[in-house]
Amino acid sequence: DVKVTQSSRYLVKRTGEKVFLECVQDMDHENMFWYRQDPGLGLRLIYFSYDVKMKEKGDIPEGYSVSREKKERFSLILESASTNQTSMYLCASSSSGRIRVEKLFFGSGTQLSVL
Amino acid sequence: DQQVKQNSPSLSVQEGRISILNCDYTNSMFDYFLWYKKYPAEGPTFLISISSIKDKNEDGRFTVFLNKSAKHLSLHIVPSQPGDSAVYFCAGAAIQGAQKLVFGQGTRLTINP
Repeated sequence: DVKVTQSSRYLVKRTGEKVFLECVQDMDHENMFWYRQDPGLGLRLIYFSYDVKMKEKGDIPEGYSVSREKKERFSLILESASTNQTSMYLCASSSSGRIRVEKLFFGSGTQLSVL
Repeated sequence: DQQVKQNSPSLSVQEGRISILNCDYTNSMFDYFLWYKKYPAEGPTFLISISSIKDKNEDGRFTVFLNKSAKHLSLHIVPSQPGDSAVYFCAGAAIQGAQKLVFGQGTRLTINP
């Protein structure tokens, strides 16, 4: 069965801390994504990656970075956490489609609170 | 710039009746659309998709309609069941290029017994 695993369900961090959110997929997917979900704003793309060591900025990359050292693992890094980064973070993966957009498989999410 | 818009934050429907969720998009490059369903404390799960070469796609109780000239799509659920209560997101993407999905704000659907 398809699985995207996010390491933490809930995290509480202090302003200024460096935060790591980890995501692992077991489907050998090429593409991996990080979204955040906020009420009234839907899911917004932070960063994505098409291959190992490759990364592309999404719509709201400011304050974040990512790392993809292995195909199955995609990490989101908050260099210096701020209160406006309190959110639900969702990791997703997909295979590469040539004739259609392949659907995303999502993890269960990490609810991050920055105090 | 909200490229995909779901203008109804919430919708309440009686069990057994039809639920209609609407979505508008502005990016004319989008040629593939997907609907996702999200329960609390879970990640979104894929529900149904449609390519721009079609104007309708059906899967059981779920039908998605696409009106390209109006840049509008809708998801019909009939008959609605209590288990359909969830937040529904529509998303658009371009097959050529980045293939990243752009999501709407979501609509919370509540099915009343």
